[in-house]
Amino acid sequence: QVALRESGPALVKPTQTLTLTCTFSGFSLSTSGMCVAWIRQPPGKAPEWLALIDWDDDKYYSTSLKTRLTVSKGTSENRVVLTMTNVDPVDTGTYYCARIRRMVGVPYTLDVWGQGTTVTVSS
Amino acid sequence: DIQMTQSPSSLSASVGDRVTITCQASDDIGDDLNWYHQKAGKAPKVLIYDASNLETGVPSRFSGSGSGIHFTLTISSLQPEDVGTYYCQRYGTVPVYTFGQGTKVDIK
Repeated sequence: QVALRESGPALVKPTQTLTLTCTFSGFSLSTSGMCVAWIRQPPGKAPEWLALIDWDDDKYYSTSLKTRLTVSKGTSENRVVLTMTNVDPVDTGTYYCARIRRMVGVPYTLDVWGQGTTVTVSS
Repeated sequence: DIQMTQSPSSLSASVGDRVTITCQASDDIGDDLNWYHQKAGKAPKVLIYDASNLETGVPSRFSGSGSGIHFTLTISSLQPEDVGTYYCQRYGTVPVYTFGQGTKVDIK
């Protein structure tokens, strides 16, 4: 069964760097076509896609945030790490990781999501 | 960047009503569009992929249509468990996943 879980600090001060970890099971990021994406959702607002890392270690970022984001595979095979530099109170929200399968014949959907982790940016 | 605009932003309907939500892209996206449903405090779940295909396990009262710029999500007979917020989301050949601003649905 596929599952993802986000972890990281609940509270971060402005200008600090936020580091979040996505730990997943039930699939391998080494499998061709497999990807993990990060999405955030400010309170009461729509989700916003942040970044994606694929099976080939290619990385893609939101245009508006790419200078502040880094996505990488963790030291463990079943982890993906997102770092966001210079956080601001507007970065407050719930951060999700989700699986995407970019394979022929498979829908390009965020098909399995984690439960999300809430991050507050405040001094 | 291509923007996605949904309407209405919210609606209230009775159980059994037909509900229609629209999503407009700022440029032609073919049928590269998915629909999600999010209940309060939960992650979004896929309803429709590639504009008109029903995700496995999703009730048949949900349907999607459209291509190019204009897209529609229809609930043929609204049920109490359908409350929540609905989002359209486009995807690109180069990975990019843009969400609409959402339509909040509740029961009258």
